[in-house]
Parts: sequence; C-alpha cells; structure tokens
Amino acid sequence: QQPVQSPQAVILREGEDAVINCSSSKALYSVHWYRQKHGEAPIFLMILLKGGEQKGHDKISASFNEKKQQSSLYLTASQLSYSGTYFCGTADDKIIFGKGTRLHILP
Amino acid sequence: GAGVSQSPSNKVTEKGKDVELRCDPISGHTALYWYRQSLGQGLEFLIYFQGNSAPDKSGLPSDRFSAERTGGSVSTLTIQRTQQEDSAVYLCASSFGLAGANEQFFGPGTRLTVL
Repeated sequence: QQPVQSPQAVILREGEDAVINCSSSKALYSVHWYRQKHGEAPIFLMILLKGGEQKGHDKISASFNEKKQQSSLYLTASQLSYSGTYFCGTADDKIIFGKGTRLHILP
Repeated sequence: GAGVSQSPSNKVTEKGKDVELRCDPISGHTALYWYRQSLGQGLEFLIYFQGNSAPDKSGLPSDRFSAERTGGSVSTLTIQRTQQEDSAVYLCASSFGLAGANEQFFGPGTRLTVL
C-alpha cells in the first residue's frame, strides 16, 4: 500500500518552516525520505527505523511514530536550495514511495 | 568512486519495438532496484535484485517487462513490444543491503519515449 503524503504542495518564503507528513496503513519497518529536484535523481535525506535509530543528514530533522505508522519531516529556516519534491517511502526489503510533496521556496 | 550510471540517458523508440535499459550500480552494492517515474508522478517500484536473484518482481506492469542482473553487478531492464504508456523515466538505485536499513543511491535515469 502506497503511503499518503500531506500536503501535496507547499509554498514558503525563505526562512519559514514546513512540516511534511507521511502515513501508512501498513506496519512499518522503516521510513525513508528523499528529495528530488526537477530533472535530477532523488537524493537520500534520512532513514528512520523501528526502535528509534535514524540515519541521515545532520541538518534534517524527522520523526517516526511506529504506533501510528506516521512520519514527519521538519524543514526549519528554509533555504532556496530546499525547493524540490519530497518523497517518503515505507520500506522492508523494498521501498514503496508516496506521491510526493512539492516544496517551492520564494526569496 | 563512481555513482550509479545508466544508459542510454535518452531513448526514443517506435511503438512495438523492444528496448533494453542498462544500470551499473556502485561497486560492492548487493541490492539493486528499478523504478519508473511518469511525468510529474512519484516513484513506482518495479523490481529488485539481491545479488543476481530477483525476490520481488511484483511491480513489473506486465509480462512485456523483464529484468536480469549478472555477476552481482550490471542489470538490464527489457521492455518488449513497447507501448506509448511505457513512456517514462526509468530509474535505477543501488544500496549496500536491502532497503529496510540502507540508503539508496539513484542513477540519473533513462528517459524513454515511445512514439
């Protein structure tokens, strides 16, 4: 089952904060977050595993509620470079990605 | 260290022709994944390999699609009798191990256009 992301799109001004949510109807082993800029390959941001372990970039913050089967990605003090489409994916041996959240940062 | 590479970068073909898309993963990565991304859409899982074996082919859209991996390295995705709805960007990703606990490194993709 494909995870559901919200919102579908966000427009922010530089310096503002955003939260992107990801929920699944399936019990999660781990959640992945990737960012894709237009015409480029997705880039890894973070993995959140059951039990609380996280792997990812120091400047990225995310949470994983195993009980609710939800994850959230927190983007604080946004920069122009944060623009792109953010995908969450629920993972066991493979990743099933959500439809993405388009983030546009205005100067 | 080279990243994941894919070839060709662009492929234009006529409806009904067969195409082969190639993926060279990062050396030492045992897991390899194929995804399809249609215009403005998300990443659709197709198939993954652990070594040369494909434990999960559940995402392949039809029996016109097949894939193989040899030597635990290069993988080829073949689409037979292409249809216009096959037009998309096909992405390959590799990782040290299976997706549950390992980040995936994506290639630049092959843009397939079926006329």
